[in-house]
Amino acid sequence: KNEVEQSPQNLTAQEGEFITINCSYSVGISALHWLQQHPGGGIVSLFMLSSGKKKHGRLIATINIQEKHSSLHITASHPRDSAVYICAARGYNFNKFYFGSGTKLNVKP
Amino acid sequence: EAGVAQSPRYKIIEKRQSVAFWCNPISGHATLYWYQQILGQGPKLLIQFQNNGVVDDSQLPKDRFSAERLKGVDSTLKIQPAKLEDSAVYLCASSFALGPYEQYFGPGTRLTVT
Repeated sequence: KNEVEQSPQNLTAQEGEFITINCSYSVGISALHWLQQHPGGGIVSLFMLSSGKKKHGRLIATINIQEKHSSLHITASHPRDSAVYICAARGYNFNKFYFGSGTKLNVKP
Repeated sequence: EAGVAQSPRYKIIEKRQSVAFWCNPISGHATLYWYQQILGQGPKLLIQFQNNGVVDDSQLPKDRFSAERLKGVDSTLKIQPAKLEDSAVYLCASSFALGPYEQYFGPGTRLTVT
């Protein structure tokens, strides 16, 4: 069993829809990261959070430490949001990252 | 600020050949990571350096993979000999130090072993 599980694996949405990607983890963490990876491109860090909620533009990330669960929300989705979104949990000692397998998002115009 | 640089961007080799990848982290970043990402999967940590010392190499296949960061700045990852299952994107990332710092990723090297 993977330490970090994401759902859904694939997601297709119409432009303008509200999107939620979920991440559950089984390890103790010091921080939870959300990453974005475009086809053929490198990985960009979107959020690093250890509690509560963070917002950047149309993106919102939340975390519930007690339930070991995090969500990434995209409001008013746009085709340029199409990418793979990866959840990564950083272990307590800051040394180790545990990565989810990613959620492939396709936003249609 | 310059990002993490990697080269080459693409490499095609035959099985049993050798290959090396290079990474130059963001200036001043002490921690450097090498990841292997197989198509459709999340990145898998191969090795992590703190300056020129190894912090974690538990998932590095040491019979064929090696990595070094001799001067605590840039790093090379080598595969010798390559196998078909080594086909993947090899990502380098760096962060300021161990601790609650962001990781910054390079563009990756896409390796195809035929």
